[in-house]
Formats: sequence, C-alpha cells, structure tokens
Amino acid sequence: SQLAEENPWALSVHEGESVTVNCSYKTSITALQWYRQKSGEGPAQLILIRSNEREKRNGRLRATLDTSSQSSSLSITATRCEDTAVYFCATDGGGNNNAPRFGAGTKLSVKP
Amino acid sequence: NAGVIQTPRHKVTGKGQEATLWCEPISGHSAVFWYRQTIVQGLEFLTYFRNQAPIDDSGMPKERFSAQMPNQSHSTLKIQSTQPQDSAVYLCASSPRLGGQNTLYFGAGTRLSVL
Repeated sequence: SQLAEENPWALSVHEGESVTVNCSYKTSITALQWYRQKSGEGPAQLILIRSNEREKRNGRLRATLDTSSQSSSLSITATRCEDTAVYFCATDGGGNNNAPRFGAGTKLSVKP
Repeated sequence: NAGVIQTPRHKVTGKGQEATLWCEPISGHSAVFWYRQTIVQGLEFLTYFRNQAPIDDSGMPKERFSAQMPNQSHSTLKIQSTQPQDSAVYLCASSPRLGGQNTLYFGAGTRLSVL
C-alpha cells in the first residue's frame, strides 16, 4: 500500500486560476517533498518542507504541512498552461535510511 | 552536468525475453534509486543503493527482478522472463546523500513494453 496519497486524482482549471492539491501520508516524517512531472520527463522537485515547518513558498507555489493530521497541500496561484503536469508528494517514513515513497499523483490540466 | 541518464528510452520485448535497463547517476551522488511508474500504481519504489551497496530492495518483485551497481557511474535493472504486467516506465534517480531531506534527481525514464 502507498505511504502517501494525493487527491484529487485529476484537476482541470483555466489559466490564471488558483488550484490546490492535497496529500495525506501514513507514517512519521522528517520531511515531505512535492514533485512535478511533465509529459515525457522524470519528476522534478518543487518544494521540500521539513517536519518542523508549517509553510514553504517557492514563487507561485505554496506548500503547507500539518503533522498532526498527517497532511500537506500544494497551492499554485496564477496558473499557466506550462503548469500542466502530474504532481506528487513524497515522504521519507521518518528515517534517514528510507527511500522516499510517492503516491499515484494528481494530474493537473491548465487550459487557455 | 547532464543529469541522470537512462538508456534506452524505449524498449520493446517479447513475453519471456530478458530486459536490461541502464542508469548513469549524477557524478558525486552517493544514493541511487529505482522506481516503476504505472497509471494505476503511480510511482512505486523498487530498490536503492548507497555508495554502490544495496540498502533496501523491499519493493522489488522477488522473482525475475534484480538490480546491481557495479561501479559508481552506473546501475542496471534486469528483468528476466518479462511478462506483460512488467510494462511500465522505469525511473532511476540519484541523490547527493541518503535521507528524506535530500532532493531526488530523476532521469527521463525507460518505457518498457512487453508484447
């Protein structure tokens, strides 16, 4: 079973709108990472948020972390067509020797 | 820095044949990871190495799948007697160090199609 799970499975918005992707995870963590995968490419990291942080920003991206509910969110403001991608969260299971575990991802489509 | 290089980009095999996938990690990175991606399962962890030593292969199917890292410049994932359900994109990633606070740098993947 997956240690992290994104929802919803798919989203569609128009350019300029804001959108939020959610992530729930099942174990303790030292950090949670958000990745984006565009068609034909491997995933690329967007934001890393540590367990003692509640919010992290990177340009139009904002990630939040709530360790009490074991959940995180990634918000994108002023979306662009090039934000069309699959978005993943990844957790480390709380250990330094653990490989990051990903969910199935949220497929975001941004239309003109 | 060319990033993580995976070859081939596409591989087609017949059922029962062997497939070997190659990964060249970023120079200087000590951790190398293999994942399998399908629409249904998403990104599944397979195995990883630290300083060429296998650390965790808990995601590897016990039969037919094996991974090696004979030197710091490449790793291979071998699938024997391929089956249609092995069709997926296989992704390799490397990281400067181990631990959840380190970024994974992914290759573009190898798309394996088993006919």
